[in-house]
Amino acid sequence: GENVEQHPSTLSVQEGDSAVIKCTYSDSASNYFPWYKQELGKGPQLIIDIRSNVGEKKDQRIAVTLNKTAKHFSLHITETQPEDSAVYFCAASKMNRDDKIIFGKGTRLHILP
Amino acid sequence: DSGVTQTPKHLITATGQRVTLRCSPRSGDLSVYWYQQSLDQGLQFLIQYYNGEERAKGNILERFSAQQFPDLHSELNLSSLELGDSALYFCASSVEEDSPLHFGNGTRLTVT
Repeated sequence: GENVEQHPSTLSVQEGDSAVIKCTYSDSASNYFPWYKQELGKGPQLIIDIRSNVGEKKDQRIAVTLNKTAKHFSLHITETQPEDSAVYFCAASKMNRDDKIIFGKGTRLHILP
Repeated sequence: DSGVTQTPKHLITATGQRVTLRCSPRSGDLSVYWYQQSLDQGLQFLIQYYNGEERAKGNILERFSAQQFPDLHSELNLSSLELGDSALYFCASSVEEDSPLHFGNGTRLTVT
């Protein structure tokens, strides 16, 4: 089955700098890659997703890149702000009725003042 | 607010007991998923239902069971509880099985 590895487990960046979180997946048939942000005391919230027919997607300060050949994808957050501090999860799925979304173990992002 | 409602928010119980966690999906969502999140662990998939039918099973223990009712709400039943069952339990829903997931805020279960 699918296995998703996420790095780093913890990341501290200065406010205003960029943060990058990387994930690799094992199943080449996976075609949907969402990213979730989990704030303290809340459930994970979808922040951006990408499908395998595109290599990059951007939404304001957040972007995701996908390299299907290498089976890895990354989340990029630019001009980080204090409210970006949270745990971020990547995930992968084949998005069919018999498949399930598999999550990485998460990255705890700290934005330093 | 994702629109997914989970009750209760917190649950404290003793080993050997049985509890029921409840989830109301977003309006119009047919698919419900249950995930377990332990300390320093990611989200472990337990089970998925679609329009009342079980669709996929993950690492769900035999002591755990779930169902989705005709009104599409779902319940996760945990029995013969052990200390190691203490975790956050999340429910998520989606419109269809190939749609993005939307998570509730979870039920924190503490087994003493």
